[in-house]
Amino acid sequence: DTAVSQTPKYLVTQMGNDKSIKCEQNLGHDTMYWYKQDSKKFLKIMFSYNNKELIINETVPNRFSPKSPDKAHLNLHINSLELGDSAVYFCASSQIGADTQYFGPGTRLTVL
Amino acid sequence: LAKTTQPISMDSYEGQEVNITCSHNNIATNDYITWYQQFPSQGPRFIIQGYKTKVTNEVASLFIPADRKSSTLSLPRVSLSDTAVYYCLVGGSNAGNMLTFGGGTRLMVKP
Repeated sequence: DTAVSQTPKYLVTQMGNDKSIKCEQNLGHDTMYWYKQDSKKFLKIMFSYNNKELIINETVPNRFSPKSPDKAHLNLHINSLELGDSAVYFCASSQIGADTQYFGPGTRLTVL
Repeated sequence: LAKTTQPISMDSYEGQEVNITCSHNNIATNDYITWYQQFPSQGPRFIIQGYKTKVTNEVASLFIPADRKSSTLSLPRVSLSDTAVYYCLVGGSNAGNMLTFGGGTRLMVKP
């Protein structure tokens, strides 16, 4: 039983393309997140999203946009991919108001 | 969001107790202290969380002094499989639970 799943696991694409990463959680959580982990292993929050509120880390370019069709899904869409977008992207979820987050396995994005 | 400082790396041997200390001088009143573990090619995994004094679970103990400006994760009798990166985080229910991860501590357990 995978609590938080992401697809694809690996994504290789060309600069300028638009791509999406999908995330699903079956924990019944209210809040979902996207994180970016760069080559130096620093893990940075990108978005926090629940049914009522989207909170964006101000350092995230507007080429990145989260899309949530329902409470169990939070997809990450990236427009006009750049070399610097290469990283591992993690999705996570939690109950609203709780600090314990459950992470997915990550999606390794490589932009050529 | 409170910033944390922890050692970049630590080495230990199997069977030893490992203590990793984290500094968080500007922790807020409603912030909890949480530790996560991350293995290569995996997402971070929750280990333990506390607010003050001591918390213990089946995996680790967390020691928090009265001023809460630091915390220590204690791993008893580590094994090779405990080799991972350990992240200390502080945060509360504000700001949509936006957790700030520091650089983490890379623990290497040797035989």
